[in-house]
Amino acid sequence: GDSVTQMEGPVTLSEEAFLTINCTYTATGYPSLFWYVQYPGEGLQLLLKATKADDKGSNKGFEATYRKETTSFHLEKGSVQVSDSAVYFCALIPFSGGYNKLIFGAGTRLAVHP
Amino acid sequence: DTGVSQNPRHKITKRGQNVTFRCDPISEHNRLYWYRQTLGQGPEFLTYFQNEAQLEKSRLLSDRFSAERPKGSFSTLEIQRTEQGDSAMYLCAAGGTAQQETQYFGPGTRLLVL
Repeated sequence: GDSVTQMEGPVTLSEEAFLTINCTYTATGYPSLFWYVQYPGEGLQLLLKATKADDKGSNKGFEATYRKETTSFHLEKGSVQVSDSAVYFCALIPFSGGYNKLIFGAGTRLAVHP
Repeated sequence: DTGVSQNPRHKITKRGQNVTFRCDPISEHNRLYWYRQTLGQGPEFLTYFQNEAQLEKSRLLSDRFSAERPKGSFSTLEIQRTEQGDSAMYLCAAGGTAQQETQYFGPGTRLLVL
């Protein structure tokens, strides 16, 4: 079945460091891909998304490119801030039609220190 | 603010008791989803509604779980005869009917079964 695999955390970085969180997926056809973020004490928020191969999603300095050939959607940011500390979830919606069920990875916790 | 509210935010109950959670999405979201998130894991799909019709249920949703969405507005999720394994965060999400459309999450209800 469809699934998402993320790199394990926690990821600990100093402020202004470069961030990469790896995400790979298994799915038939062309799923839509998402990154959600969960800040401490808050609900899941959509960070960015991409709906077809080679699309790049971007928001708040974060980027991810939909790579069909490597079935990947890695999250990157050039310079992290303390306020980016959160749990990041990669997710997909299968292209099988129907009801748009989200399938999530296990999440990666990011801690950014001053 | 995602426009999705959930109540209560926290619930502590004793094993064997019944609990009910409520989700209120903004009116233009005619699809509503319930997910469950256990510690250290990503959310897992439980069920979804299109307007008032419950159209899909996960195998995770045992007979002790029931969900409703009367009049296609708010939704309730009831767990009867709670078990310690039901302890989790219960998330509600809302979205439209377009293929692979973004879902917007509420803050969740954290359940602890003693």
